[in-house]
Amino acid sequence: DTGVSQDPRHKITKRGQNVTFRCDPISEHNRLYWYRQTLGQGPEFLTYFQNEAQLEKSRLLSDRFSAERPKGSFSTLEIQRTEQGDSAMYLCASSLAGGLGSYEQYFGPGTRLTVT
Amino acid sequence: AQTVTQSQPEMSVQEAETVTLSCTYDTSENNYYLFWYKQPPSRQMILVIRQEAYKQQNATENRFSVNFQKAAKSFSLKISDSQLGDTAMYFCAFSWNNNDMRFGAGTRLTVKP
Repeated sequence: DTGVSQDPRHKITKRGQNVTFRCDPISEHNRLYWYRQTLGQGPEFLTYFQNEAQLEKSRLLSDRFSAERPKGSFSTLEIQRTEQGDSAMYLCASSLAGGLGSYEQYFGPGTRLTVT
Repeated sequence: AQTVTQSQPEMSVQEAETVTLSCTYDTSENNYYLFWYKQPPSRQMILVIRQEAYKQQNATENRFSVNFQKAAKSFSLKISDSQLGDTAMYFCAFSWNNNDMRFGAGTRLTVKP
């Protein structure tokens, strides 16, 4: 297994445009998480899925943000009408729920979004 | 509210020496997990060490060990025999419900040759 992958690694967009990021978790992991990390800060939780169900969303996830995990495998995070404040690193992580080690999350390399 | 505080924004250590990074947290939960993650420059976050709150014994992983003081809600990371490759941001993290994870603001560690 190659670990958690994210695409693209970098995205530059103009304010008002829509962007979509993809995350491919570790294949046997049933949980997938999205975080946002701004410069000099730790990651902030956005949302998570167990299989295809989105079980929790942070209040940080405004109505311009939507995430999906249609078949319980990869996930997409879409930001509509981007704003400059959306500029950040978007991190994806996955874990295997249940049993020892289920709290351990494995992170992808992130997608760095710059909104100009 | 669950919060994680790292009071040292930056630290440095000489190669081969020992350094301790501090972390405190606030929670009313009794069962939870604590983690230290390492994020090297322009590279992805990797798990360094994990501690289950119900375990009294401090976790160790090779050169990395923790000092877990549950009553004081303190979880420090000790790095022994520091190596240049240890240069990174270190994040303390807390998970109580296996749903999300709360991170501290991080400590930037520089290992000097």
